[in-house]
Amino acid sequence: AQSVTQLGSHVSVSEGALVLLRCNYSSSVPPYLFWYVQYPNQGLQLLLKYTSAATLVKGINGFEAEFKKSETSFHLTKPSAHMSDAAEYFCAVSDTSGTYKYIFGTGTRLKVLA
Amino acid sequence: DSGVTQTPKHLITATGQRVTLRCSPRSGDLSVYWYQQSLDQGLQFLIQYYNGEERAKGNILERFSAQQFPDLHSELNLSSLELGDSALYFCASSSGQTFGNTIYFGEGSWLTVV
Repeated sequence: AQSVTQLGSHVSVSEGALVLLRCNYSSSVPPYLFWYVQYPNQGLQLLLKYTSAATLVKGINGFEAEFKKSETSFHLTKPSAHMSDAAEYFCAVSDTSGTYKYIFGTGTRLKVLA
Repeated sequence: DSGVTQTPKHLITATGQRVTLRCSPRSGDLSVYWYQQSLDQGLQFLIQYYNGEERAKGNILERFSAQQFPDLHSELNLSSLELGDSALYFCASSSGQTFGNTIYFGEGSWLTVV
């Protein structure tokens, strides 16, 4: 079965600093991977997704993620944090075993300090 | 705006009662997913429907049921409610026809059981 693990339920960075949110996946087949963001009192919004076309995926709001098969990782980064980036971020994997389920990690809450 | 519409946005009800949450997927999407988000359990997959048929089942309690109607809208029925059922319930939709489709989330229905 496929799964994702997000390391760090809370991450704090200073405004202007690098954002790094970690996600490791488990899959016996090439996965489809996603990052979603949830702002307070809102639904989840797609940031970016990996579908094997390119290992470095660029998303919205300056975020990007790199698929590393050797490390089974799909970490999310942004060079310079803005106050508006404060939110909860979820990594997800699409189940390709036939069920079409999407399995989400436990989320990482990003706090941006002024 | 993701195009996924959920009603009601907020609901307060007493233990033992029954409620129905409604979801209209994005235009053209055949697949509907239900997720439960709570503080202690994170984002839990409940159930998925594709074109009216149940396709995948997750951690859905027997007290909960769902269906997808011919017009593709979906309802999640929660009965014999307990305090622990208080959560944010999300509906999401996708075309559902290939692996790795993006799923789009509604803004959720906040359920409070008192």
